[in-house]
Amino acid sequence: EPEVTQTPSHQVTQMGQEVILRCVPISNHLYFYWYRQILGQKVEFLVSFYNNEISEKSEIFDDQFSVERPDGSNFTLKIRSTKLEDSAMYFCASSVSTDTQYFGPGTRLTVL
Amino acid sequence: QKEVEQNSGPLSVPEGAIASLNCTYSDRVSQSFFWYRQYSGKSPELIMSIYSNGDKEDGRFTAQLNKASQYVSLLIRDSQPSDSATYLCAVNILNQAGTALIFGKGTTLSVSS
Repeated sequence: EPEVTQTPSHQVTQMGQEVILRCVPISNHLYFYWYRQILGQKVEFLVSFYNNEISEKSEIFDDQFSVERPDGSNFTLKIRSTKLEDSAMYFCASSVSTDTQYFGPGTRLTVL
Repeated sequence: QKEVEQNSGPLSVPEGAIASLNCTYSDRVSQSFFWYRQYSGKSPELIMSIYSNGDKEDGRFTAQLNKASQYVSLLIRDSQPSDSATYLCAVNILNQAGTALIFGKGTTLSVSS
């Protein structure tokens, strides 16, 4: 069964450094998303992406975040200058339409 | 502010019992409703989706939706220890350009053998 994949599974970085989190959505899906979950808290929407552009973003998704679909398979989330409070699990999700979303296994980001 | 509320639990049930999980949401224009299961340290895994008022059954799981009351529930029949997890209620806030899932904090279910 097709699934969303994410790399790396765990990323450790120093505060102020740039990180890129990578996702490969399910191949026939057209909508892509990033969510984050701070330890012990709820899953929070960051951004949705369709037709090579951002379709919606939350207040969390400020200027330090960006997303890109650099080729036909990858979908990336870049955090330009990481802060301690960016430490969280980051989940990529994809969907065929504006409906059921399937989540990847997540990347645990630790900012020191 | 669009909100999804869940009782955080823990909800403890014995093996074989029915577990009942509840969720309320604030946005009347919400279109789609989902239940995800999340094991500790893992990603959300889709269990059920429901779009119209009433009940929807899938195996041991039944989702119930009441849009007038802005209420969604999940019943798990014949609960098993492997059902022990956090259950996340998610509501689809649909707009012209896309969609975002708004999640509740989740209800932790513990099934004892």
